[in-house]
Amino acid sequence: DTEVTQTPKHLVMGMTNKKSLKCEQHMGHRAMYWYKQKAKKPPELMFVYSYEKLSINESVPSRFSPECPNSSLLNLHLHALQPEDSALYLCASGSGQGRKDTQYFGPGTRLTVL
Amino acid sequence: KQEVTQIPAALSVPEGENLVLNCSFTDSAIYNLQWFRQDPGKGLTSLLLIQSSQREQTSGRLNASLDKSSGRSTLYIAASQPGDSATYLCAVRNTGGFKTIFGAGTRLFVKA
Repeated sequence: DTEVTQTPKHLVMGMTNKKSLKCEQHMGHRAMYWYKQKAKKPPELMFVYSYEKLSINESVPSRFSPECPNSSLLNLHLHALQPEDSALYLCASGSGQGRKDTQYFGPGTRLTVL
Repeated sequence: KQEVTQIPAALSVPEGENLVLNCSFTDSAIYNLQWFRQDPGKGLTSLLLIQSSQREQTSGRLNASLDKSSGRSTLYIAASQPGDSATYLCAVRNTGGFKTIFGAGTRLFVKA
């Protein structure tokens, strides 16, 4: 099973709301990723967790707050977002084993900020 | 700084044609290169992973090659079908970490 699940599929929020995106995998992977993808653009890396510790933060604004409560779950907490943050947010997981590390992606959460 | 370029940006071919998608990268210090497929509004589906020590990988009608010294990879699709219509993305994983850089993709349309 190479499935990564993400909830919700769609999210509409106002600029003053607080919401969370959730990602789950049961492949025993120890690396988990958040990407942001704007329309007709490639995915851009936001955060990477390795063994539940934050490994990469690509200078993402603090209104995005990642959390990795255990090896299977990855959350992205959202607060005080801007309309330009509207995008498809993709979660991925991988074994974390260097050259052999294949990334598997979830279906994404389509976020609209009003 | 790693930069990944994909050519062409878009491609339209008749069904049954063999085709090649190109990916180039500027820094040869990579762990691996991965090819993905993305349907509109959907997530990414992994097609092939080539480790930095490998020259090619094959899966069904797909064959991906890697020439690390020249900073190039190709994805060959044999006997294309309308169901192959999608955006194809290559992604490079740099050595020493998890950082992954994507190319802008090639939008493929296969006409029935």
